[in-house]
Amino acid sequence: AQSVSQHNHHVILSEAASLELGCNYSYGGTVNLFWYVQYPGQHLQLLLKYFSGDPLVKGIKGFEAEFIKSKFSFNLRKPSVQWSDTAEYFCAVIDTGGFKTIFGAGTRLFVKA
Amino acid sequence: SAVISQKPSRDICQRGTSLTIQCQVDSQVTMMFWYRQQPGQSLTLIATANQGSEATYESGFVIDKFPISRPNLTFSTLTVSNMSPEDSSIYLCSVEWGQNTEAFFGQGTRLTVV
Repeated sequence: AQSVSQHNHHVILSEAASLELGCNYSYGGTVNLFWYVQYPGQHLQLLLKYFSGDPLVKGIKGFEAEFIKSKFSFNLRKPSVQWSDTAEYFCAVIDTGGFKTIFGAGTRLFVKA
Repeated sequence: SAVISQKPSRDICQRGTSLTIQCQVDSQVTMMFWYRQQPGQSLTLIATANQGSEATYESGFVIDKFPISRPNLTFSTLTVSNMSPEDSSIYLCSVEWGQNTEAFFGQGTRLTVV
């Protein structure tokens, strides 16, 4: 069965620090990968997605993620975080041709002003 | 994209009672999903609700406990039956427009069972 592992449950950073959140998935076939974000008091929304092509994908608000197939990884990065990036971040996967989204446990990011 | 509205946004219920959560989408969509997000945990898929067919439940979830209706392409309900404190959670409705597409979520229903 598919599963998604996020390496850190809680991350605390100061503004302007760089961010990298780890995500690994287990599935032998072709997958589509996502990062979702949930800001305090708001609903889950898509941050970025990878379906095919360039393994480095860029999303909203300066976030990017790199798909490394050999490592089954899809890590999220941002060069310089802001206080407004405080949120919970979820990595997710769907196998190609599938419908069910499998989520990681989430990483709570707190950015100190 | 879509606007997905859930009602109620939160509720506090007595154990042994049932609560029905509504999910309304502003456009027609084939695939709707119900998730549970327990405190400190990730989203767990409860069931897939496609219009015109019975809901498909994931392992660990049964229809008697979580009956689902899907009367049309813009609406679904999830009932949490015979509630216990262990059912305290956030319940989320989501939709997808086809294979290999991202999910869109409602704001969730925060349920507390006392």
